[in-house]
Amino acid sequence: EDQVTQSPEALRLQEGESSSLNCSYTVSGLRGLFWYRQDPGKGPEFLFTLYSAGEEKEKERLKATLTKKESFLHITAPKPEDSATYLCAVQAVIYNQGGKLIFGQGTELSVKP
Amino acid sequence: NAGVTQTPKFQVLKTGQSMTLQCAQDMNHEYMSWYRQDPGMGLRLIHYSVGAGITDQGEVPNGYNVSRSTTEDFPLRLLSAAPSQTSVYFCASSYYGTGRSYEQYFGPGTRLTVT
Repeated sequence: EDQVTQSPEALRLQEGESSSLNCSYTVSGLRGLFWYRQDPGKGPEFLFTLYSAGEEKEKERLKATLTKKESFLHITAPKPEDSATYLCAVQAVIYNQGGKLIFGQGTELSVKP
Repeated sequence: NAGVTQTPKFQVLKTGQSMTLQCAQDMNHEYMSWYRQDPGMGLRLIHYSVGAGITDQGEVPNGYNVSRSTTEDFPLRLLSAAPSQTSVYFCASSYYGTGRSYEQYFGPGTRLTVT
């Protein structure tokens, strides 16, 4: 069964304290792995797409990496405005499933000044 | 571009009532989908469409209907609302093509309460 597990469920950091969020996945053929940011009361906001093991993407203080079993979202010197829930999702290579995404439960990140 | 828009933002229904959640996108995306988000359950796919006139069921389709008569619009109908349908509903859209994965863009959500 295709599955996505994110850890930790919640993470509290001090401003400037770097850390990583983990997304472990099992899928019958990975088409793509996605990272989203979700602020309270809003829809998920797209951050990155990763397609193959070894790939890395960066955006400001965020860097996403991918292996054959997991993805990491590294946050370097975070600021309070980075506080949000970060969602990981995978898309499997399954005929007739269209663009179906399988989401993890998310990691709630809180960055204190 | 407005992106993905959803109406209404909030809705309260009584058990047994029906309603339609509206979703529209102006990015000419082929793929559109509806998710529900519940605490501790993550985002779960309700229905999706890969083009006008084509729809299919996702993970939790019971109690919901969809149709896609145009590329831009993908309404979600609740046939007879139940308290278990209390949730936040998100519409999303993306390009679509076999052999390629595309990011999905989400709307702002509709918060639905069924009493």
